[in-house]
Amino acid sequence: EIVLTQSPGTLSFSPGERATLSCRASQSVRSSYLAWYQQKPGQAPRLLIYGASSRATGIPDRFSGSGSGTDFALTISRLEPEDFAVYYCQQYGSSPWTFGQGTKVEIK
Amino acid sequence: EVQLVQSGAELKKPGESLKISCKGSGYSFTTYWIAWVRQMPGKGLEWMGIIYPGDSDTRYSPSFQGQVTISADKSINTAYLQWSSLKAADTAMYYCARPTIMGGFDAFDIWGQGTMVTVSA
Repeated sequence: EIVLTQSPGTLSFSPGERATLSCRASQSVRSSYLAWYQQKPGQAPRLLIYGASSRATGIPDRFSGSGSGTDFALTISRLEPEDFAVYYCQQYGSSPWTFGQGTKVEIK
Repeated sequence: EVQLVQSGAELKKPGESLKISCKGSGYSFTTYWIAWVRQMPGKGLEWMGIIYPGDSDTRYSPSFQGQVTISADKSINTAYLQWSSLKAADTAMYYCARPTIMGGFDAFDIWGQGTMVTVSA
């Protein structure tokens, strides 16, 4: 089973700042099958990035994904008020598919 | 509109059985896998398993194998998650989700609204 580690658990930023979130895999993720999701309280997760770097439909271009192998990142170029949420990475290249434990992006 | 609509919240006692549902609409239900994801209170997301409604091919996470049963009825475009004997530790929000690509494994772009299951004596 591939273990995904997201650290730190919480990041604090001011609106307008740039945020970079990390996701490290315990072994290489096949074909960069790595996704990022955003979840707000009381809502289902929302797909942001798939294939490590492709934005999902309707996702603003301030969100970008990068990385390959075992190291991946989600970057939010300028934080908007609605971006403060919890973010999860997920690998879907090897069964069982696994999620990271999440990074909460909070307002400083 | 493509959507997954889940059954409503449940309050059950330990030892009881339960089956929750996820109905797909707006797309060809039999040609996309459907996954189930658990989120315990205040915790992260856990992939439980996945089913292909076209032929009921089912895969389970080792953590959930033998603990739950995933099934589907393609005649009514509905997937199910069931327990034969609930425990307090099963208290969680359960989501169904659909991958982005037909017939393949991919990230989940369509999610149900979630079903809250509470198990308490």
